[in-house]
Order: sequence, then structure tokens, then C-alpha cells
Amino acid sequence: GENVEQHPSTLSVQEGDSAVIKCTYSDSASNYFPWYKQELGKGPQLIIDIRSNVGEKKDQRIAVTLNKTAKHFSLHITETQPEDSAVYFCAASRFYKLIFGSGTRLLVRP
Amino acid sequence: DVKVTQSSRYLVKRTGEKVFLECVQDMDHENMFWYRQDPGLGLRLIYFSYDVKMKEKGDIPEGYSVSREKKERFSLILESASTNQTSMYLCASSLYVTSMTGSGANVLTFGAGSRLTVL
Repeated sequence: GENVEQHPSTLSVQEGDSAVIKCTYSDSASNYFPWYKQELGKGPQLIIDIRSNVGEKKDQRIAVTLNKTAKHFSLHITETQPEDSAVYFCAASRFYKLIFGSGTRLLVRP
Repeated sequence: DVKVTQSSRYLVKRTGEKVFLECVQDMDHENMFWYRQDPGLGLRLIYFSYDVKMKEKGDIPEGYSVSREKKERFSLILESASTNQTSMYLCASSLYVTSMTGSGANVLTFGAGSRLTVL
């Protein structure tokens, strides 16, 4: 069946360093790839997304890249700050159904 | 500020009890979803609804049912709770956005979650 693999499961970086989270999807018909951030005690919140007709998208310190041929997409966070500490989920979708990755717990050490 | 509100943040129930989880959205969204979140498994879709009184099974519907009598409200029902249903339950609503090129994006807004413990 359809699935999304996400790596790493945990990531610890020093404040100011970059963080990269990678996902691989199985359904080649997927055309929308959002990233969600979940802070403690809250529901996931959309932080950035990319559609299949775009290779890269940037929003301030975060960026997402998509390689449709390899069915890979990645989240890049530059100049990390303590408030970036959270669990991050990638997802892939076609129409209404989003398939989520297993999540990455990011810890930014001050 | 737009919102998805889940009525209960924490519930403790006993095996065999009937459990109702309620979700209300104020964004006039057509689509609503129930996900289950477990460590290491991410978010798994239980059921979704794309219109009032319409529902579709997700990936793990067994042991659950849903009800959508009004556009803004989507309820998840555990007919007879079991210990393996102890989990965090997330409700979401969405707007399906179509771009000029015709590609679509299902943009979800989540509630804060309901943590259910079944003893």
C-alpha cells in the first residue's frame, strides 16, 4: 500500500546549525507534499508545502525540496533556534487522503 | 482565528464502554478527518467525511464509526473501547485548494487532540 518513510526519527542540533529531514513516498501519483510542526500539547500545524510541479520552495529559514523521479522530498531548516524544537511530520497526498511519515523529533540545543 | 475544537483533551474510559469524541470547526470546510497518533507510527487516518452525512473509511477504521449530521461537527465513536485504542486522536478539517495548473492541495487544520486512555 501507500506509505511515506521519514528519517531520522530524532535529530539533535546546536542552535544556529542547519537541520535536514528526509522523506520518501511510494505512490508516484502523489502531487502535494506538506510539512507539519507539532509542539508539545498542540495539534500539528502546517509550516510549508510544495506541489508536484515545483522543485523547491522557501519561506524565510525553512525550505522544502522535491525530487519526483526519486520520490524524495526534504525539509531544510537553517539557523535553527530553540523554538524550532518540536516534532515534524512530512506527508504525501493525492486528492483528499494524506499519508503521513512517522515523525522526526527535533531538539535544538541552546 | 480559525479553529478546530475537540471537546475533550483527556479521557479515561474502561474496556467495553462506548466513547464519543466530538470535533467542531468554524471554517465552513467541506472535509473533516479523524486521525490516530501513536509514537513511531505517525498519523493514521481512521475516517474522513467530504460532505454532511458522507463518510469514507481510512486506513484503520476497524473498531470505530463516525457521524456527521452537520457541516461543522464530526464525531468519532468507539462502540466498545478496548485497551489497544488507547491513543491520541486528532481531528482536522480541510479546504481543498486547486491551483491554476489544476493540481490540488488538501490543506488540513488540526485540533489540539484528545488523549484517550482505556483501562
